[in-house]
Amino acid sequence: AQSVAQPEDQVNVAEGNPLTVKCTYSVSGNPYLFWYVQYPNRGLQFLLKYITGDNLVKGSYGFEAEFNKSQTSFHLKKPSALVSDSALYFCAVRDDTGRRALTFGSGTRLQVQP
Amino acid sequence: EAQVTQNPRYLITVTGKKLTVTCSQNMNHEYMSWYRQDPGLGLRQIYYSMNVEVTDKGDVPEGYKVSRKEKRNFPLILESPSPNQTSLYFCASSLSGYGRNTIYFGEGSWLTVV
Repeated sequence: AQSVAQPEDQVNVAEGNPLTVKCTYSVSGNPYLFWYVQYPNRGLQFLLKYITGDNLVKGSYGFEAEFNKSQTSFHLKKPSALVSDSALYFCAVRDDTGRRALTFGSGTRLQVQP
Repeated sequence: EAQVTQNPRYLITVTGKKLTVTCSQNMNHEYMSWYRQDPGLGLRQIYYSMNVEVTDKGDVPEGYKVSRKEKRNFPLILESPSPNQTSLYFCASSLSGYGRNTIYFGEGSWLTVV
């Protein structure tokens, strides 16, 4: 079975500081990893994904994520947080064995203080 | 504009009254699915469809039905809604059901069953 853990329900960071939202995963085969963001009363927006290749993936709105196979992690990062980054962030995983579902973590709420 | 469209966005209904949430995508995607989002649980897959006339259960299919008669549409049917189906529902689609393809989500449908 595949699973995703987001160990922090909420992350607080001051505007201008770097941010990290943590994610670890478990899959049978090779992982395909995704980050999505949900703003209030909106759907999920795709931020970035790791399929293969370079372990550092760059995505929308200045976000990036680092794939670490040995630690089975895919942490989301941004060098300088904005107040407008405040939202709910979801990490998700699929594997390459053919299972169709995208398995989500429970979500991490990011609060960026001015 | 490429999008996944769900209707209704907000609905309050009574226990036992059949309802349908429609979903349509304009990207010619083969794969479509339904998720529900509940606090602390992230998103869980209800049903998915690999293509027209091909549907299968996800992780939480009880109390739901789906059909895929056309490629663009994938309605979610609650034959006899119960209060434990009060949730935020998302329709999603991707080019195919295989791991590397990004899944795109609709804006969500808030359903309350009283």
